[in-house]
Amino acid sequence: DARVTQTPRHKVTEMGQEVTMRCQPILGHNTVFWYRQTMMQGLELLAYFRNRAPLDDSGMPKDRFSAEMPDATLATLKIQPSEPRDSAVYFCASGNGVYNSPLHFGNGTRLTVT
Amino acid sequence: AQSVAQPEDQVNVAEGNPLTVKCTYSVSGNPYLFWYVQYPNRGLQFLLKYITGDNLVKGSYGFEAEFNKSQTSFHLKKPSALVSDSALYFCAVRDGGSARQLTFGSGTQLTVLP
Repeated sequence: DARVTQTPRHKVTEMGQEVTMRCQPILGHNTVFWYRQTMMQGLELLAYFRNRAPLDDSGMPKDRFSAEMPDATLATLKIQPSEPRDSAVYFCASGNGVYNSPLHFGNGTRLTVT
Repeated sequence: AQSVAQPEDQVNVAEGNPLTVKCTYSVSGNPYLFWYVQYPNRGLQFLLKYITGDNLVKGSYGFEAEFNKSQTSFHLKKPSALVSDSALYFCAVRDGGSARQLTFGSGTQLTVLP
């Protein structure tokens, strides 16, 4: 059963450190999304890629966050420098680009910044 | 603009009883509606969708949802709840007439009591 793979599953880091989260979308999917989930804000869309091109990153704090797709099998989300308020679960999701098709989510990276 | 509301943060139901998780939406064009479920420490999993056609949609694990255009609702239902249905449920909407991405509701925590 094809699935979205996210690494690491858990990350604990100190404030100021760089954090990199990785995502392998389902083979053949051409859309990739990064979401952040917190108790207070729920699910927030951070960035969206289609055919590896960033189409929308308006939900992402530009000064510290960056998202890239070096190739079709890898998406990365970086935070530099990290802050305690970045503590959350970060999800990657991929889709086949058809608007009425569902997204497939990874199991997330739980980030704790101390 | 598109939006979705889940008016209940928490729903409790006894095992064997019917369950309903409510969702209302707002879009300019035709709605594409989705339900997802999230189990602890997991990503969101697709349950069912409404795009067009029959107002009663059947999905995974015995769940179904009823699309009501006049009430702009898409409530999730199951005739007989199981303890294993306890999870966080998200409704999501996309305006079929725009290129905007999915908007997720705030989620409803369903607890099925034995």
